[in-house]
Amino acid sequence: QVQLVQSGAEVKKPGASMKVSCQAFGYTFTGYYVHWVRQAPGQGLEWMGWINPNVGATNYAQKFHGRVTMTRDTSISTTYMELSRLTSDDTAVYYCARGLMVNNWPLFDYWGQGTLVIVSS
Amino acid sequence: DIQMTQSPSSLSSSVGDRVTITCRASQNIGSYLNWYQQKPGKAPKLLIYAASILQSGVPSRFSGSGSGPDFILTISSLQLEDFATYHCQQSYSIPRTFGQGTKLEIK
Repeated sequence: QVQLVQSGAEVKKPGASMKVSCQAFGYTFTGYYVHWVRQAPGQGLEWMGWINPNVGATNYAQKFHGRVTMTRDTSISTTYMELSRLTSDDTAVYYCARGLMVNNWPLFDYWGQGTLVIVSS
Repeated sequence: DIQMTQSPSSLSSSVGDRVTITCRASQNIGSYLNWYQQKPGKAPKLLIYAASILQSGVPSRFSGSGSGPDFILTISSLQLEDFATYHCQQSYSIPRTFGQGTKLEIK
């Protein structure tokens, strides 16, 4: 069955970088975009961007331009999201989600379990 | 960016109640609206896409309606497992944006 399995929780210092992985199981990895969404404590969901695992193309939310990099390794069906120059505002649970088009309706049908990243000195 | 505004932010209801949650987009998005349910410590789960199409496996007590800027999620008869946070999300344009969420609590 389809699964997205993310890497474990991290604690980072301000100014450092984080890199979260998302490994796909149960479907053709290169056939679906992967989106990254984060959720700060007690807050709503915030879309960060997507990566097309087939060709490696990316599209980032303007807010994260210059700080976020999404990559993939097709040999292990894994996408990565790296965020640099961390501040306490980046403390959040980070999710990957599979993007799907159903009759031209875009949606996120499967999500990873989430990765908690705490930024603290 | 398209702003999504949900109301109410929180809601207390009882098992068996009929509940409605509204979501308003800052511009016309047609029917490009998805609803997700999220339980504490868990990832969101897709309930409804294209404003009114029930995702496979989602109970029929959930329904969605609306188009353009205004949308409604209805739960016809609340069950214990429905107490969660609900998020709307527009899929009309990039960046994808979400409402702030509606927390549904037991009265």
